[in-house]
Amino acid sequence: GENVEQHPSTLSVQEGDSAVIKCTYSDSASNYFPWYKQELGKGPQLIIDIRSNVGEKKDQRIAVTLNKTAKHFSLHITETQPEDSAVYFCAASKGIDDMRFGAGTRLTVKP
Amino acid sequence: DTGVSQNPRHKITKRGQNVTFRCDPISEHNRLYWYRQTLGQGPEFLTYFQNEAQLEKSRLLSDRFSAERPKGSFSTLEIQRTEQGDSAMYLCASSSSRTGAGTDTQYFGPGTRLTVL
Repeated sequence: GENVEQHPSTLSVQEGDSAVIKCTYSDSASNYFPWYKQELGKGPQLIIDIRSNVGEKKDQRIAVTLNKTAKHFSLHITETQPEDSAVYFCAASKGIDDMRFGAGTRLTVKP
Repeated sequence: DTGVSQNPRHKITKRGQNVTFRCDPISEHNRLYWYRQTLGQGPEFLTYFQNEAQLEKSRLLSDRFSAERPKGSFSTLEIQRTEQGDSAMYLCASSSSRTGAGTDTQYFGPGTRLTVL
């Protein structure tokens, strides 16, 4: 089955700096890669997703890149703000019932 | 609020007791998923429904777990004879297969945190 690895497990940046989180996946048939943000005591919130027919997608300060050959994808957050502090999860899926999540990255943005 | 809702938000129970959680999906979403999340880990898939039909179950879903979605709207997840190892956050998500975009985008609820003493 699919295996998703996520790095780093913790990331601390100064407000205004950029943050990058990387994930690798094992199943070359995976074709959907969402990113979720989870704040303490809340459920995961979708922030951006990308499908395998696209190499890059951007939404304001957030961007995701996908390299299908290398089987890795990354989340980029620019101009970080304290409210970006949360746990971020990547996931990979090739179908309805097989979404696999990484172990998460705890991002801390210091004011 | 038109998002996914879950009740209760917290549940504390003694080992051996039965518990039931409820999930109300986004209106008109035909797919509903249950996940389990333990501390420091990402969500793990348990089962999913398309309308009222339960189409897939993970091997994580032991025979003490049962899920239903009787009318294709809300869903319940019951755990019988709870064990301390069942302590986790139980998340529900919903999606629509009607967007035609391939793999569905799943929207999560706030979760039910279960503590088994």
